[in-house]
Amino acid sequence: SQQGEEDPQALSIQEGENATMNCSYKTSINNLQWYRQNSGRGLVHLILIRSNEREKHSGRLRVTLDTSKKSSSLLITASRAADTASYFCATEGGRHTGANSKLTFGKGITLSVRP
Amino acid sequence: NAGVTQTPKFQVLKTGQSMTLQCAQDMNHNSMYWYRQDPGMGLRLIYYSASEGTTDKGEVPNGYNVSRLNKREFSLRLESAAPSQTSVYFCASSEDRRQPQHFGDGTRLSIL
Repeated sequence: SQQGEEDPQALSIQEGENATMNCSYKTSINNLQWYRQNSGRGLVHLILIRSNEREKHSGRLRVTLDTSKKSSSLLITASRAADTASYFCATEGGRHTGANSKLTFGKGITLSVRP
Repeated sequence: NAGVTQTPKFQVLKTGQSMTLQCAQDMNHNSMYWYRQDPGMGLRLIYYSASEGTTDKGEVPNGYNVSRLNKREFSLRLESAAPSQTSVYFCASSEDRRQPQHFGDGTRLSIL
C-alpha cells in the first residue's frame, strides 16, 4: 500500500521558475526520501531527511518536513529544462514497523520545465 | 562504477513461459530489492533481501520467486508468466534498509 502521496500529480513551469512539490504520508516515519526518474531510466536518490530534521538543502534543492502534519515539500529553485522528470517521495517506516520496515514510494509527480 | 546492472533490458514472453531477471551490484551493499512500476501505480515492492542469505516478501510477491545468490546478485524469477506481469521491473540496492537506494535502469517485460 502507498504511504506517500505526492501533490500535484503534474506540474508545468517555465525555465527559471521555482517548482514546489508536496508529499503527505499517514504513519510515523524514520526518514523521508525524494527521488528523481528521467524517462526510461531508474530512480536516482536526491535527498534524505530524518524525522528529527525540519529542513535540508542540497544545491538547488530544499526539502522540508513537518511531522505534525505528516507532510514534506521539495523545492527546486531556478529550474532548468534538465529538471524535467518524475519525482517520487518515499517513506521509511517509524518505530512501529520494526526490523521489517521498508521504503514505500508514492505515485510520483511529473515535472515539465519549458525552455 | 557500474552501480546496479540489470539484464536483460527488454524481453517479450508468451503466457506460461518462465524467465529469470538478473541483477548485480558492485557497491558492497547488504540490502537488495525488486520493484515493479506500472502506470499510475508508482513503485511496488515485490521481494527484498535485507542481507545475504535472507529474502522476504514485499507488497506484491505472488507469481514471483527470488534468489540472493551472493552479496552481489539478486535474481527474480517468473515461473509461469501472465499478462498481468507486464511491467517495468527495477532492482535496487542499499547499504541497509534505512539508507538511500540505488536503482538499475530497469527491465521492460511484455507478456503476450
